[in-house]
Amino acid sequence: ILNVEQSPQSLHVQEGDSTNFTCSFPSSNFYALHWYRWETAKSPEALFVMTLNGDEKKKGRISATLNTKEGYSYLYIKGSQPEDSATYLCAFQPNSGYALNFGKGTSLLVTP
Amino acid sequence: DSGVTQTPKHLITATGQRVTLRCSPRSGDLSVYWYQQSLDQGLQFLIQYYNGEERAKGNILERFSAQQFPDLHSELNLSSLELGDSALYFCASSVARKGEKLFFGSGTQLSVL
Repeated sequence: ILNVEQSPQSLHVQEGDSTNFTCSFPSSNFYALHWYRWETAKSPEALFVMTLNGDEKKKGRISATLNTKEGYSYLYIKGSQPEDSATYLCAFQPNSGYALNFGKGTSLLVTP
Repeated sequence: DSGVTQTPKHLITATGQRVTLRCSPRSGDLSVYWYQQSLDQGLQFLIQYYNGEERAKGNILERFSAQQFPDLHSELNLSSLELGDSALYFCASSVARKGEKLFFGSGTQLSVL
């Protein structure tokens, strides 16, 4: 079992606030780190896939960074909007396999 | 719409029964993954198929089995069902190159009564 930990478990912010979450994963046997966004009543949708230490990816107001040496990734949301409310999942893909190992997610609620 | 089709969307059955969940991957995707999401658990990897062959196996119970057919659709068979098998079962597909993102279906919500 490859432990992938996400914190915080849940987060409630006001519209316009910026926020960030953490994903911790094994620093050995690393191939890729994925971020997915899962809205209620929908299916998880990929945000980013990062493979190199120091990678930074950005999509609109959402960005992510990767530190493979210490085994963590941050997801940032700038100026949160109510439509950003969702569960954000990270997943670790080991070098030794193809399956993604998911964390339990961070549930974000953005209120107007 | 991810392009991954899962049927049925909901399934209600009794303990001891057997059910089959079906998944059609995105056009062009050769790999299919099955995941289980139950209360207080993250997405738990069950099994992966690539072009008809089993590629990786996770925490899949012996009562569960899967296969991928020549047309690349996949079925997950759950037998001797128990109350604890109640969960949301997702299928995902990818082109199967490492580092490629997964595309998820809408899931099958299984309720075992």
